[in-house]
Amino acid sequence: QKEVEQNSGPLSVPEGAIASLNCTYSDRGSQSFFWYRQYSGKSPELIMSIYSNGDKEDGRFTAQLNKASQYVSLLIRDSQPSDSATYLCAVKASAAGNKLTFGGGTRVLVKP
Amino acid sequence: KAGVTQTPRYLIKTRGQQVTLSCSPISGHRSVSWYQQTPGQGLQFLFEYFSETQRNKGNFPGRFSGRQFSNSRSEMNVSTLELGDSALYLCASSLDADGYTFGSGTRLTVV
Repeated sequence: QKEVEQNSGPLSVPEGAIASLNCTYSDRGSQSFFWYRQYSGKSPELIMSIYSNGDKEDGRFTAQLNKASQYVSLLIRDSQPSDSATYLCAVKASAAGNKLTFGGGTRVLVKP
Repeated sequence: KAGVTQTPRYLIKTRGQQVTLSCSPISGHRSVSWYQQTPGQGLQFLFEYFSETQRNKGNFPGRFSGRQFSNSRSEMNVSTLELGDSALYLCASSLDADGYTFGSGTRLTVV
């Protein structure tokens, strides 16, 4: 079992719709959770971080964390073609250091 | 504010050679991490340095090594290159474990 799992997609959504991305993790000691966006040929870009159970909103993005279920999700509202990218879930499990464990990423395609 | 700077952007090396990649973190960031990204394995953690000390290490062979200088700049070295080392090598810097900023990466091709 992979430590951080994501559906590879592609997740195809029409422009203006909500894209829902899911991520599960295996280490119950995980403390910090991040969503990165990576365009083809580019490096990952941090879009959200979340540390506590519940929702965190930033613009069109909402991250949701449920530590009991070991589940973190990302919602993209009013999806735009420019949101087409691979979204990477990353988990920081250790209390010491900054090691991130990444999921394989979900490719999102927003169709006009 | 300058971002994370990685040099060189592209490298082509021959099997058996060694290579050194460089990373300059965001000013004030003391934590520098290195990752390898390949289509098959995704993003995998190599190691992390903080204040010139290696704080974490991933599951890579000893051919992969790194160091950090007093100005927080970091280098990673791969010796005896293998074809499977072809990848995008990414450096990320962090101020306080919240928000890891990646550089543009070095794309290494081993032929």
